[in-house]
Amino acid sequence: AGITQSPRHKVTETGTPVTLRCHQTENHRYMYWYRQDPGMGLRLIHYSVGEGTTAKGEVPDGYNVSRLKKQNFLLGLESAAPSQTSVYFCAISETNTEAFFGQGTRLTVV
Amino acid sequence: GQNIDQPTEMTATEGAIVQINCTYQTSGFNGLFWYQQHAGEAPTFLSYNVLDGLEEKGRFSSFLSRSKGYSYLLLKELQMKDSASYLCAALDSNYQLIWGAGTKLIIKP
Repeated sequence: AGITQSPRHKVTETGTPVTLRCHQTENHRYMYWYRQDPGMGLRLIHYSVGEGTTAKGEVPDGYNVSRLKKQNFLLGLESAAPSQTSVYFCAISETNTEAFFGQGTRLTVV
Repeated sequence: GQNIDQPTEMTATEGAIVQINCTYQTSGFNGLFWYQQHAGEAPTFLSYNVLDGLEEKGRFSSFLSRSKGYSYLLLKELQMKDSASYLCAALDSNYQLIWGAGTKLIIKP
C-alpha cells in the first residue's frame, strides 16, 4: 500500500513542538497513529474515520491530530517529552479490518 | 479490561514447524489478526480469522477458537527469513484493534 511517513527519524529537545506526517495514495477511509515501545504492543494514539474527523485512541494525552484532506493525517506533539520517545506508525485501512502500515518514524526526545 | 497474551520469545530450527499461541480477552470480538514484523520494519498482514477453525495460506496457517479466546499461528518448513516478531491483535466490539506485545521468533540453522 502507498503510505509515506515523514520524517523517518527525528531527534528533538524536550519542550519543542513536533509534527509527524502521514500521506496515503490508496484513498482508504481509515487512518491511524500508533506508537510502539519495546516489550509493549502497538498502542493507538488517535484515529480518523474520514476527512475532517478524528477520535481519541488508547493513549491520546500529549498528542493532537488533524485530517484536513483525506490523504493526509498529521500527528502533533505540542511540547515533546522524553516519555514520547518511541517509534510511531501510521496505518490505513478501508474496511476497518486489515490495516497497512507505513515504515515508521523513530522519534527521540532528549 | 482488554488483554492479549502471547509468548515473548520462541526459538525453532530451520525446516521445522513452530506454533505461536495467543489468548485474548476483549469487550466483544470481531476477529483476530496476525501480523509479521521484521526488526526495524513495519508490521505486515498475515491472516484474519473471525470464524472458528483453521485458515491455511501456504506455509502459514492460523487457527481460532472463539469459545476459548484462543488463536495460534502455525509456521511450517521454517526458513531463516521467518525470523521476525509475530503480532497477535483482536478486534473488539468498537472495531478497535487490541495488540499483543509480539512474539520474537528466532530461527537457528
